[in-house]
Amino acid sequence: EAQVTQNPRYLITVTGKKLTVTCSQNMNHEYMSWYRQDPGLGLRQIYYSMNVEVTDKGDVPEGYKVSRKEKRNFPLILESPSPNQTSLYFCASSSVSYNSPLHFGNGTRLTVT
Amino acid sequence: KNQVEQSPQSLIILEGKNCTLQCNYTVSPFSNLRWYKQDTGRGPVSLTIMTFSENTKSNGRYTATLDADTKQSSLHITASQLSDSASYICVVDSGGSNYKLTFGKGTLLTVNP
Repeated sequence: EAQVTQNPRYLITVTGKKLTVTCSQNMNHEYMSWYRQDPGLGLRQIYYSMNVEVTDKGDVPEGYKVSRKEKRNFPLILESPSPNQTSLYFCASSSVSYNSPLHFGNGTRLTVT
Repeated sequence: KNQVEQSPQSLIILEGKNCTLQCNYTVSPFSNLRWYKQDTGRGPVSLTIMTFSENTKSNGRYTATLDADTKQSSLHITASQLSDSASYICVVDSGGSNYKLTFGKGTLLTVNP
């Protein structure tokens, strides 16, 4: 089954403790992206990648890192999480062909205390 | 600044009734407009993708319209079902090499029995 898999689904951590949220897709998509979703703000892009070893900042990249060493994986790294990074995070992937839809994972709910 | 505005913010209807959700955008350049459905706590799922030349596109009981001249789109849901309760997100794709998407904040639809 074609899917984007994020782990974990839920994560509670403390300020300053480094964490990684994994994202993997099995559709051989070139494009992958991370979003955060907060009440009243909608989905906001954190980082995106057009292909292996190619990453770029989205609209809200501060406090986050990403890497794209393999085509299928696009982990999101919070080196020193802070409470304002408490949010619902989504990974998505897509072919770069014209009019290809984004496929989203089921989200990771992160709480930083 | 590219923006996507959706209305209403929330809507409550009775099962079996029809409803229409609105999306106005000020995004340039324009490549395509997408509607996504997001169930509570889940990732968004693509409903339709419409290019500049398409006025109407259907996906089952969902029909999207696009007026590229006035930069407006609507999503019409026919004979609503309880499972239609979700947030509906309008997204405009600017095209280009960096695959830039502008997200609306969504309309929360509740279908009551």
